[in-house]
Parts: sequence; structure tokens; C-alpha cells
Amino acid sequence: EVQLVESGGGLGQPGGSLRLSCAASGFSASDHHMDWVRQAPGKGLEWVGRTRNKANSYTTEYAASVKGRFTISRDDSKNSLYLQMNSLKTEDTAVYYCVRVEGSTRIDCWGQGTLVTVSS
Amino acid sequence: DIQLTQSPSFLSASVGDRVTITCRASQGISSYLAWYQQKPRKAPKLLIYVASTLQSGVPSRFSGSGSGTEFTLTISSLQPEDFATYYCQQLNSFPITFGQGTRLEIK
Repeated sequence: EVQLVESGGGLGQPGGSLRLSCAASGFSASDHHMDWVRQAPGKGLEWVGRTRNKANSYTTEYAASVKGRFTISRDDSKNSLYLQMNSLKTEDTAVYYCVRVEGSTRIDCWGQGTLVTVSS
Repeated sequence: DIQLTQSPSFLSASVGDRVTITCRASQGISSYLAWYQQKPRKAPKLLIYVASTLQSGVPSRFSGSGSGTEFTLTISSLQPEDFATYYCQQLNSFPITFGQGTRLEIK
């Protein structure tokens, strides 16, 4: 069964850091582009960033709202990806989803999400 | 950035109704559009991709159409489990963007 499980959410301080993890199972994450998508409380979906697959050298793209503050990385040995979140802002408060991209045309698998709250 | 505007933002309908949700892109995106359904406190679920391809396991009452800048999601006969929020997403270019969502409620 294809599955994504996020962890690492919680309370972060403005200006602080948090690291989210996403463990993939049932498939090889290195074969797929993988994204992070977030959803602020009561709001819509916002794309955060992408790490392309191994064939595309794991290159990354980011939304303007997080570029320079957030970094996506992978560990193939653990079939996992990560979202390092620095210089946190209150507007980063959201549920963060790790997602699998299929064929660059759709998100076909979503994790359950992990809540990040940025507050002093 | 490509903006996606969904209409309506809120829709009240009855079981058995046919409903259509529109997604308009601020510039052409070919057919690189997907539709998702989200229920409260759950992750979204893929319904349609490349504008009109039904994801495996999704009921055939869901259909999608369009290309370029205008797209539609149609539910031919609403079932109780269809009351949810629907989002379109463009994957034509970065940054990837979503529509603001259409909340479908029971009349």
C-alpha cells in the first residue's frame, strides 16, 4: 500500500525553526517528484515546494512565500523527505501535507498532514 | 504566477442534482489541470487529472472538461458523500497554484 506519514509538527516560535519529516512506504520515493502542500486553518490549499525525482537530480522549486526560508531534502536510504523551516512566521501556521506527484500531472497520494503552529 | 479562480465559491444543492464548478486560469495552462475533493479534517483526494481523465476508483458521475483557460468539473447526480470542498490545481508551470475552493453543501 502506498503511504506517506508526516511527523515533526508542533509549536514553533516566530523566527525559530522546525523540521518536518515524511516517511514513504509502498513505493520508492526517489522515482517520484515529491511536494509539500500546506493549508492554513479554515483556508485553501497552498503549494510550498517540490523536490524532483532522482532522474532529475532532486532539483527543487519553492513558492515565493517560503523561498530562502524553507529547504526540501531527501534521504533515499530511509525513503524519506524533509522540510526544514527556518525564520518561521505566524503566517506559516498550517497543516503541512507531504504528497507524491505522478507524471507531473497530478498529486495522487497525500499524507495525513502535520500541524505547525507558529506563535509566541 | 498563474491565478485560478473557481466559481461559485459556495454551492447549495440537493441529492440527485447535477452540478458544475468552473475553474478559470489567468493564462493558458494547456490541459495541466487537476481536481481534488476534500472533506473536513481529511487530506484532499484526487478526482480528475489532465482536465478530463478520471482517477482510478473515482465514480463515473464525476467528469471534467476544458483546456487552455477554462475548465469544468461536473457531478452528474449528487450523492450524500459528495458534499465537500472542491479545488482545482494547475501543474503547467511553477509556482503550482490552486483555486480558492468551492464548498458544496446540502440544500
